[in-house]
Amino acid sequence: ETGVTQSPTHLIKTRGQQVTLRCSSQSGHNTVSWYQQALGQGPQFIFQYYREEENGRGNFPPRFSGLQFPNYSSELNVNALELDDSALYLCASSLVSPRGADQETQYFGPGTRLLVL
Amino acid sequence: RKEVEQDPGPFNVPEGATVAFNCTYSNSASQSFFWYRQDCRKEPKLLMSVYSSGNEDGRFTAQLNRASQYISLLIRDSKLSDSATYLCVVIPSSNTGKLIFGQGTTLQVKP
Repeated sequence: ETGVTQSPTHLIKTRGQQVTLRCSSQSGHNTVSWYQQALGQGPQFIFQYYREEENGRGNFPPRFSGLQFPNYSSELNVNALELDDSALYLCASSLVSPRGADQETQYFGPGTRLLVL
Repeated sequence: RKEVEQDPGPFNVPEGATVAFNCTYSNSASQSFFWYRQDCRKEPKLLMSVYSSGNEDGRFTAQLNRASQYISLLIRDSKLSDSATYLCVVIPSSNTGKLIFGQGTTLQVKP
């Protein structure tokens, strides 16, 4: 196992609602990245958090937001849910050097399956 | 054009077969390359990194051709347990930690 945990494992919401997904990184890791994986597709990068700051963002609208806490755990928040937000949401933790330039391997958690009705 | 392209398959092969997956990427400045494996309804797991010199890990061999912007994965002596989706992954030149995944290639190894 990678030591990366996510909660909840499954979630059902309706359009327009808001959702918060949680991720605990592997011990010793300081960076968390979030990905969305739609059925039959590869994961798509949402954003990354390094030392509590956003460190890169993919092509997702502002209603996708995140936080990283001092213990390096992280939350993904999605407002105004749409049907197309139904997907597997994966977080991955890694260790980034103090310069922020070098990254080690990203280890994925088991994911949260979100269904929007 | 997608940044990373893979043939989604599925590839259906008998046990013991050799199978090869290919992947192309669009950004010539990309700096790091990987193959991840994803089992059904599970998270992706790193299978191996890919280097220009090629690298081998048991029955698995990965190759990178920077001139052609092409990555390959060869699996020899396929086992039933190799059945999974294989994801080609690229890190672009600006290292923001963004992994760019291909769609994945599904392999089904049959007895």
